[in-house]
Amino acid sequence: QKEVEQDPGPLSVPEGAIVSLNCTYSNSAFQYFMWYRQYSRKGPELLMYTYSSGNKEDGRFTAQVDKSSKYISLFIRDSQPSDSATYLCAAFSGNTGKLIFGQGTTLQVKP
Amino acid sequence: GAGVSQSPSNKVTEKGKDVELRCDPISGHTALYWYRQSLGQGLEFLIYFQGNSAPDKSGLPSDRFSAERTGGSVSTLTIQRTQQEDSAVYLCASSLGTHNSPLHFGNGTRLTVT
Repeated sequence: QKEVEQDPGPLSVPEGAIVSLNCTYSNSAFQYFMWYRQYSRKGPELLMYTYSSGNKEDGRFTAQVDKSSKYISLFIRDSQPSDSATYLCAAFSGNTGKLIFGQGTTLQVKP
Repeated sequence: GAGVSQSPSNKVTEKGKDVELRCDPISGHTALYWYRQSLGQGLEFLIYFQGNSAPDKSGLPSDRFSAERTGGSVSTLTIQRTQQEDSAVYLCASSLGTHNSPLHFGNGTRLTVT
């Protein structure tokens, strides 16, 4: 079992839709959670970073963490074609200093 | 400021040859990470440096893979006797090294072994 599981998709939505991306993790030692966005042939770029359970909002993006169920989500409101990319969830253990990634979900937003 | 720089951006090599991949982290970043991304896959952790030392080498796939970091800055990932299954994008990232510092990635080296 992978430490961080993510449905690879692909996910295709019309422009303006609300997108929900989800991951689960198995290691209770994970303390910090991040979402990265990766465009084709580019390195991942940090989108959102959360520590505690609850929601964190940044513009059209909301990250949600539920540590009791080991579940993390990213919501994108009013999705745009420019949001088309691969979205990677990641979990960080302060004990090991290692950031573990999910498989990534490929999102396509159609105009 | 300058981000993480990786070179070369693309490398084609013949099976059995050795290759060196280079990473220049963001200035002042003490932690440096190497990941591998195969086609359609997520990021596979390879190795992590804090300063010049590597507390965690657990992700290196075999003894053909090695990495070093000198002067707390530039890092080199070396793959000896390359195999076709080594073909992937090799990504480097750096961070401030505190336990909650996000990683900043380079654009990777795309390695193709023929």
